[in-house]
Amino acid sequence: EDKVVQSPLSLVVHEGDTVTLNCSYEVTNFRSLLWYKQEKKAPTFLFMLTSSGIEKKSGRLSSILDKKELFSILNITATQTGDSAVYLCGKCLQGGSEKLVFGKGTKLTVNP
Amino acid sequence: SAVISQKPSRDICQRGTSLTIQCQVDSQVTMMFWYRQQPGQSLTLIATANQGSEATYESGFVIDKFPISRPNLTFSTLTVSNMSPEDSSIYLCSVGGLGNTIYFGEGSWLTVV
Repeated sequence: EDKVVQSPLSLVVHEGDTVTLNCSYEVTNFRSLLWYKQEKKAPTFLFMLTSSGIEKKSGRLSSILDKKELFSILNITATQTGDSAVYLCGKCLQGGSEKLVFGKGTKLTVNP
Repeated sequence: SAVISQKPSRDICQRGTSLTIQCQVDSQVTMMFWYRQQPGQSLTLIATANQGSEATYESGFVIDKFPISRPNLTFSTLTVSNMSPEDSSIYLCSVGGLGNTIYFGEGSWLTVV
């Protein structure tokens, strides 16, 4: 089954805190894992991960994939109120298609 | 990167009617997808829009309810037919085949009353 599980589902922190969001997935049909940030409507792309152990970074955000344990984490350091959003993890399936199976998302609220 | 335009961005429709959502991409893409996001839920794939052939639907979605067109490599439409309040969702167009990223349009927010 193409299942993606994110945790926690909801998280409330204060500005300046560091957060870690988790995403686990089923191994079948795995091609890559993608992280998106959704504030209002359209998910905006953050990272695509295909190889284990290689950290991807963009400013205060970073992400890594563990293909042995079948999970990924998204770290946000020194959080800001603008980081408040739903963070979606999606598994991209093999087979020549680029369709995604998403988890339920983690709703992050950063309070001033 | 790709710029994806969706129309309408928002609409309120009467139950029993149909609405067609358009997706225009600023470059030719091999893969186009339609997703639905019901209130408070994550994204669910409706179908893959194939250029030159019928769309491929995911389990739980059928052509009669969600007919899709893909006349060329930059454009697709999704129609939500015979709408009911349960169809109130954000409908998102997505494109792939552009390297290491899958892009989403701004979404079309549909409310059925």
